Amino acid sequence: QKEVEQNSGPLSVPEGAIASLNCTYSDRGSQSFFWYRQYSGKSPELIMSIYSNGDKEDGRFTAQLNKASQYVSLLIRDSQPSDSATYLCAVTGKLIFGQGTTLQVKP
Amino acid sequence: DAMVIQNPRYQVTQFGKPVTLSCSQTLNHNVMYWYQQKSSQAPKLLFHYYDKDFNNEADTPDNFQSRRPNTSFCFLDIRSPGLGDAAMYLCATSADQGVDTEAFFGQGTRLTVV
Repeated sequence: QKEVEQNSGPLSVPEGAIASLNCTYSDRGSQSFFWYRQYSGKSPELIMSIYSNGDKEDGRFTAQLNKASQYVSLLIRDSQPSDSATYLCAVTGKLIFGQGTTLQVKP
Repeated sequence: DAMVIQNPRYQVTQFGKPVTLSCSQTLNHNVMYWYQQKSSQAPKLLFHYYDKDFNNEADTPDNFQSRRPNTSFCFLDIRSPGLGDAAMYLCATSADQGVDTEAFFGQGTRLTVV
């Protein structure tokens, strides 16, 4: 079993909709998680981190963590075409990435 | 100002010819990571240093080696590049590996093997 798993997508949503990206992890001892965004040909850039159960909001982005279910998600409200990218979930420690979910926001 | 700098941005090397990629940081971070990213795939961790302690991933080929002569610099050596080693190589740093510690990425080196 991979340490971090994501659906590779692509996930396609219309402009203005909510995009929901999901991630599961295998190590119950994992303490904190990152969501990175990566545009084609560019390096990953950090969107949010989360380490407490529940929701964490930052602008249009909300990260959700459920340690009992070993599940992390990222919600993007009012999706914009500029949000079209690959979203990578990562477990801190060794900083292992999931395979990434490609998001397409259609105008 | 760039805080994690990778050189060169683009590298073309011949099949079997050793090549070295470099990464430097101005953040004085303890941890430095090297990733390999192939087209349409996620970054794959090759190894990382915590200070001088080297940590190799179990599935990293022996063809890949690394050196960290001081806090600021880290090198990735590919001893005999094959066509399958063509990829983007990413360097990242973090202050430590604790909870909520952000990692900073360089711009990457795109390696082409001919």
